[in-house]
Amino acid sequence: ETGVTQTPRHLVMGMTNKKSLKCEQHLGHNAMYWYKQSAKKPLELMFVYNFKEQTENNSVPSRFSPECPNSSHLFLHLHTLQPEDSALYLCASSQVEGAGYTFGSGTRLTVV
Amino acid sequence: TQLLEQSPQFLSIQEGENLTVYCNSSSVFSSLQWYRQEPGEGPVLLVTVVTGGEVKKLKRLTFQFGDARKDSSLHITAAQTGDTGLYLCAGAEAAGNKLTFGGGTRVLVKP
Repeated sequence: ETGVTQTPRHLVMGMTNKKSLKCEQHLGHNAMYWYKQSAKKPLELMFVYNFKEQTENNSVPSRFSPECPNSSHLFLHLHTLQPEDSALYLCASSQVEGAGYTFGSGTRLTVV
Repeated sequence: TQLLEQSPQFLSIQEGENLTVYCNSSSVFSSLQWYRQEPGEGPVLLVTVVTGGEVKKLKRLTFQFGDARKDSSLHITAAQTGDTGLYLCAGAEAAGNKLTFGGGTRVLVKP
């Protein structure tokens, strides 16, 4: 248990499905992040939220839609994904941007 | 082009051997962090270094931040199979900036 909980751990979805990934932290952190980790590629930053406000969208396709209803919860809504979107999606939080990150265990997503 | 270059990309050694992995950049960082990621899990923070020339020890792991704050190294003494994993460095160019991650070094320690 790292303090950042991600659900589900594994997800298989079709290209026409709609699903959501959930991330929860009760560490009192103010910044939350979504990262994509594909095989043999560096961690790719997707979105940053600071005090519930989105401060970065790293040119992510609109089929990925983040939501941060409060400082403890972060969602990633998925729709009409492509097979190349299959990856490990990691959520992280930190006290402030640039401080040490606490990562969740990730959601292994497979798009079929 | 990655802001942070890690080398080597992959390292395979026998238990008991020593190893060093490197993290290099042309940019100056206000702080640099090292993480270890095991299969099926998220990265776990090992250490943060903030002062040029700083050396931190964590049991058999020694972390060094370059004098110019552009590079860092991680040295593991007498590696154990439990040290197997993906080692990631990450830097913040200024306090409050988001982290930039390197591509990682995959370490395999064989029994």
